[in-house]
Amino acid sequence: GQQLNQSPQSMFIQEGEDVSMNCTSSSIFNTWLWYKQDPGEGPVLLIALYKAGELTSNGRLTAQFGITRKDSFLNISASIPSDVGIYFCAGYNAGNNRKLIWGLGTSLAVNP
Amino acid sequence: KAGVTQTPRYLIKTRGQQVTLSCSPISGHRSVSWYQQTPGQGLQFLFEYFSETQRNKGNFPGRFSGRQFSNSRSEMNVSTLELGDSALYLCASSPRTGSTEAFFGQGTRLTVV
Repeated sequence: GQQLNQSPQSMFIQEGEDVSMNCTSSSIFNTWLWYKQDPGEGPVLLIALYKAGELTSNGRLTAQFGITRKDSFLNISASIPSDVGIYFCAGYNAGNNRKLIWGLGTSLAVNP
Repeated sequence: KAGVTQTPRYLIKTRGQQVTLSCSPISGHRSVSWYQQTPGQGLQFLFEYFSETQRNKGNFPGRFSGRQFSNSRSEMNVSTLELGDSALYLCASSPRTGSTEAFFGQGTRLTVV
């Protein structure tokens, strides 16, 4: 099925560092979502973006909806050990059979 | 408010068998979507049910089926299991069809041996 290009695939960082990851698509989306999945759990919605250019924060997390509507970025500032997990982006376009399209995830490891 | 509940959490089946997984959505949510998650393929959409009707379907063979009951609880069934069906099956509940607010359960880890 269709997927988004999410990068990087994995990251190993030191506690306190900032993190950036992104998602790109060949298609336009009108909604971008960022989820986090902890081991043994289902994904949890972190941030939802509904407008091109939108910049939204959730605590130390900030996400942006690219102005081309084909990309999105997630930044985590001052990482802590509990940030460990897999981060997924997902795009939605009501015209795309109304399905969420997912990236393959960015696995984040934080070294205390 | 209780979250999305999936049962069972873990399941081991042999090739050729069939399996039924259950999902109880958040109270008041009427849309249930199912996903298959594998390390190499990420989350792959199986189908969505709303008001007991399948509203959307992914690209999976007919061995994968589902249904939704009047209380919005949903089941998915996989018949004639293959080794490649081993995966985490996730259920997501939403207030309405087409909603981007999807709340996931913990998933059912299916292992086919």
